[in-house]
Amino acid sequence: DVKVTQSSRYLVKRTGEKVFLECVQDMDHENMFWYRQDPGLGLRLIYFSYDVKMKEKGDIPEGYSVSREKKERFSLILESASTNQTSMYLCASSFTWDDRGHYEQYFGPGTRLTVT
Amino acid sequence: AQKITQTQPGMFVQEKEAVTLDCTYDTSDPSYGLFWYKQPSSGEMIFLIYQGSYDQQNATEGRYSLNFQKARKSANLVISASQLGDSAMYFCAMRVFNQAGTALIFGKGTTLSVSS
Repeated sequence: DVKVTQSSRYLVKRTGEKVFLECVQDMDHENMFWYRQDPGLGLRLIYFSYDVKMKEKGDIPEGYSVSREKKERFSLILESASTNQTSMYLCASSFTWDDRGHYEQYFGPGTRLTVT
Repeated sequence: AQKITQTQPGMFVQEKEAVTLDCTYDTSDPSYGLFWYKQPSSGEMIFLIYQGSYDQQNATEGRYSLNFQKARKSANLVISASQLGDSAMYFCAMRVFNQAGTALIFGKGTTLSVSS
């Protein structure tokens, strides 16, 4: 089974703190993604990566950065946390195509971050 | 612009009844894929079903089927014989391509409540 793990299920941080959210996948997937989920807004893509040391901005990258030093690990960094970054953060990974000829993303359990 | 629209914030159904969750999409790309994910209250995202734009037949996975109407740009999820465990948030998503590769865009979700 594909396993995508996230370092914390719940996290509480103070405004201005630097926050690291870690994601690890064990299926040798090339692609990794970070989303945030807010009520009424669905999932919005923050950043994604198609290879080690490579990153691409998603729809809402402002206030975030990422790091991918190893293929299995993709980190989301909040340089200076703000209250409007309180949200559920979901990590996902995928092959470009799987052996059924289609594309699927596998998600981690999510991290619920509260910034006070 | 590429977009996924789910117009039903909430749906209510009785056990054993069938229910249709609506999804419309917008893309000018001739090759695309459409997905449905389920998110129970525990937060994990569970892949349900996939439909490729060139697939001739509607996708089915157990009690789930995808009613794909290409001309209308709709990809509705049909759940037959609803169960209490189907109560969850459901997201429709579409695979999109950009210069860097492929990603998913999500709708805002529909909350399904199944009662006994």
